[in-house]
Amino acid sequence: GEDVEQSLFLSVREGDSSVINCTYTDSSSTYLYWYKQEPGAGLQLLTYIFSNMDMKQDQRLTVLLNKKDKHLSLRIADTQTGDSAIYFCAETSDFRGANNLFFGTGTRLTVIP
Amino acid sequence: SAVISQKPSRDICQRGTSLTIQCQVDSQVTMMFWYRQQPGQSLTLIATANQGSEATYESGFVIDKFPISRPNLTFSTLTVSNMSPEDSSIYLCSVDTGGPSEQFFGPGTRLTVL
Repeated sequence: GEDVEQSLFLSVREGDSSVINCTYTDSSSTYLYWYKQEPGAGLQLLTYIFSNMDMKQDQRLTVLLNKKDKHLSLRIADTQTGDSAIYFCAETSDFRGANNLFFGTGTRLTVIP
Repeated sequence: SAVISQKPSRDICQRGTSLTIQCQVDSQVTMMFWYRQQPGQSLTLIATANQGSEATYESGFVIDKFPISRPNLTFSTLTVSNMSPEDSSIYLCSVDTGGPSEQFFGPGTRLTVL
């Protein structure tokens, strides 16, 4: 079956860049997403990338996709304490149904002041 | 985007009882979904709530355990039936607004079963 993997923890100092990595196995992935989950809150869609793109930038966020290696990353520039949260990578495919998101385990980002 | 609310936000329930979770969206949406996030785990899709017809369940989830209602395009309920401690999870409602495959999530309902 499909598998989406992320490292569990990441700590960075305030002002540095954070890079959160994700690997997936589904070669038919259509869209790949990054969600943020703050304590006690639901998931917030941060950004997504279509599988035929290799980069997408949105303010402090940069998503890089290496489709050959099935590797997705999220870079947060100038990381702030408010960025501390769990970040989930998710993917979906037309084959599985575009609305059936498959999530990674989440990476807990801790920003050190 | 869509604003999604869930009730209750959290509950502590006894084994063998049932809990119904409500999900309300501020606009009409075609697709509504229910996910489960077990402690320390990622999210798993339970089912797609279809308006006017029976929900579509994913492998490992059945209607008798997780009955779902979808009476209109802005509201859905998920019932967790005959609960056991293994049902302790966060249950999240999600909607697809029909944009470029954008799914938005509610704040979740944190369920603890004793």
